[in-house]
Amino acid sequence: DIQMTQSPSSLSASIGDRVTITCRASQTFGDYLNWYQQKPGKAPKLLIYAAVSLESGVPSRFSGSGSGTEFTLTISSLQPEDIATYYCQQSYYTPRTFGQGTKLEIK
Amino acid sequence: EVQLVQSGVEVKKPGESLKISCKASGFSFSTSWIGWVRQMPGKGLEWMGNVYPLDSRTIYSPSFQGQVTFSADKSITTAYLQWSSVRASDTAMYYCAKQTPGAHCDAFDIWGQGTMVTVSS
Repeated sequence: DIQMTQSPSSLSASIGDRVTITCRASQTFGDYLNWYQQKPGKAPKLLIYAAVSLESGVPSRFSGSGSGTEFTLTISSLQPEDIATYYCQQSYYTPRTFGQGTKLEIK
Repeated sequence: EVQLVQSGVEVKKPGESLKISCKASGFSFSTSWIGWVRQMPGKGLEWMGNVYPLDSRTIYSPSFQGQVTFSADKSITTAYLQWSSVRASDTAMYYCAKQTPGAHCDAFDIWGQGTMVTVSS
């Protein structure tokens, strides 16, 4: 299986900060990379697909970049409602695999 | 409204059978891959596999192959996840999710609310 490794595993930041989460893959796969946000007690929500495409309705402060084996999710200005756990997922190889998650907290 | 509504909380004893459901509405169910994702308590997301309701094609993660069965009834736009004999290690939240259409970079764009399964003697 393709291993997806996110860093950091947890992150504390202040409102208004620029936040970056990294996802590294054990094998290359172009731009077949998605990002999800999961708030406590809720189902995950798709934020970014195909590495850089913003899902409809997602605030523009979220952006994605990268290809191959290294990807990033950036929140340009952290808002209180962004407190959640974020997951990357590759959708090139079967089984699809998720990263272990990055828990984002407010400092 | 495009949505997936899952069946309610399940509490089972080890060895019992179980079937949970995922009712779809607002989109073309028959021609959409429906996936299942497990989340064990306090843990991350695990992709279990997909089912294609039009012809009941299934894809299983090797980790779940032989442990669960995916099915779908397109006449009532409902997907199912079932176990013939549950174990304590099956205790988790299970999500169904709709896969985005198109050939490039599938993703899960619509999620059910989750079904919590607890297996305990």
